[in-house]
Amino acid sequence: EIVLTQSPATLSLSPGERATLSCRASQSVSSYLAWYQQKPGQAPRLLIYDASNRATGIPARFSGSGSGTDFTLTISSLEPEDFAVYYCQQRSNWPPAFGQGTRLEIK
Amino acid sequence: EVQLVESGGGLVQPGGSLRLSCAASGFTVSSNYMSWVRQAPGKGLEWVSVIYSGGSTYYADSVKGRFTISRDNSKNTLYLQMNSLRAEDTAVYYCARDRGYNYYFDYWGQGTLVTVSS
Repeated sequence: EIVLTQSPATLSLSPGERATLSCRASQSVSSYLAWYQQKPGQAPRLLIYDASNRATGIPARFSGSGSGTDFTLTISSLEPEDFAVYYCQQRSNWPPAFGQGTRLEIK
Repeated sequence: EVQLVESGGGLVQPGGSLRLSCAASGFTVSSNYMSWVRQAPGKGLEWVSVIYSGGSTYYADSVKGRFTISRDNSKNTLYLQMNSLRAEDTAVYYCARDRGYNYYFDYWGQGTLVTVSS
């Protein structure tokens, strides 16, 4: 099974700053990686799929990059509504699996 | 508008059973891959099971042999039958639609809480 390790566990930033979240896979997942945002009490929301494609309705400030084992989610300029937990997920190998999450909190 | 509404969660004793439902609107369940994903309290996400549009079903090792995913096409509803429940099955259970037969989940329900405790 592929293990996804996200870093940092918690990221403290201010609105307007740039956020960089990392996801590392224990073996190559090619570009078969997604990113989700989850706010308290809500279901996850698909942001990025296939490493770099924004899902429908996702603002352009969200971007994804990477391939193989190292991936990055970048939020170019944080809005107040962006503070949440972010998960990466791979679909390259069975079973589909999620990382443990990065909490993005207001500094 | 696509909507998924789960129901059926609750408190159940270890060894007991529960059936979750996920009523869909705005699309046809049988035309999509549909999954269940769970989240233990304060923890991350864990994929549980999928049913393909063709009817094939697959499970995480942690639930194989105990959980059964199914659907009722006439009701456009997805189900998860959970038997032999354990404390570690305690979680919010989400149903999720696959965005395109590829295990990326573009629509999620609001979740239903299952608590396994004596």
